[in-house]
Amino acid sequence: GAVVSQHPSRVICKSGTSVKIECRSLDFQATTMFWYRQFPKKSLMLMATSNEGSKATYEQGVEKDKFLINHASLTLSTLTVTSAHPEDSSFYICSASSASGSLGEQFFGPGTRLTVL
Amino acid sequence: AQKITQTQPGMFVQEKEAVTLDCTYDTSDPSYGLFWYKQPSSGEMIFLIYQGSYDQQNATEGRYSLNFQKARKSANLVISASQLGDSAMYFCAMREIRGGADGLTFGKGTHLIIQP
Repeated sequence: GAVVSQHPSRVICKSGTSVKIECRSLDFQATTMFWYRQFPKKSLMLMATSNEGSKATYEQGVEKDKFLINHASLTLSTLTVTSAHPEDSSFYICSASSASGSLGEQFFGPGTRLTVL
Repeated sequence: AQKITQTQPGMFVQEKEAVTLDCTYDTSDPSYGLFWYKQPSSGEMIFLIYQGSYDQQNATEGRYSLNFQKARKSANLVISASQLGDSAMYFCAMREIRGGADGLTFGKGTHLIIQP
């Protein structure tokens, strides 16, 4: 199956700093990438949908100025958590799809665990 | 209203027994896809099986099969001959077409524990 990587896998930062998380599709071109967050013992919640070369579409309740998403190429999307606070601590998972507008499978990255002190 | 409902927060099953994980969904779209993912304690999401809304036959992938009952809007996952390594969280998810590609909507998950 297709491989999606995320970097870093784990990050600890101080409150008020910004953190960038990278999501890469290693062996296919991802027309669409998705960002999810998962709180402990909870389900995954979609944060935003990102199409290459266009602005991300954010889900209701997700602050676009706080969670900056860039999808500059068909293999890379980044999520930047700006001015992070302890309540932003979570597991962030990206997924990538090569079939825009279809019911194609999404391939998930291994996730990034963010802890904000 | 929840779009994906998983009514079993946790399940204990004896090794080698078959197990059924329940999932019901709610959508008004005629085109949708249903997915099951496994999430072990490491956190990675492992794709198990997919069922399209227009698929006539139930999906099967090795020990996994999906019992798709469209009229009842249910998509239960059946794991045959369970193994200790099957212990994990299992999420049912749905993807709808809403003017383009959209992310998955997940259920709350079922924590499956296989006992020796």
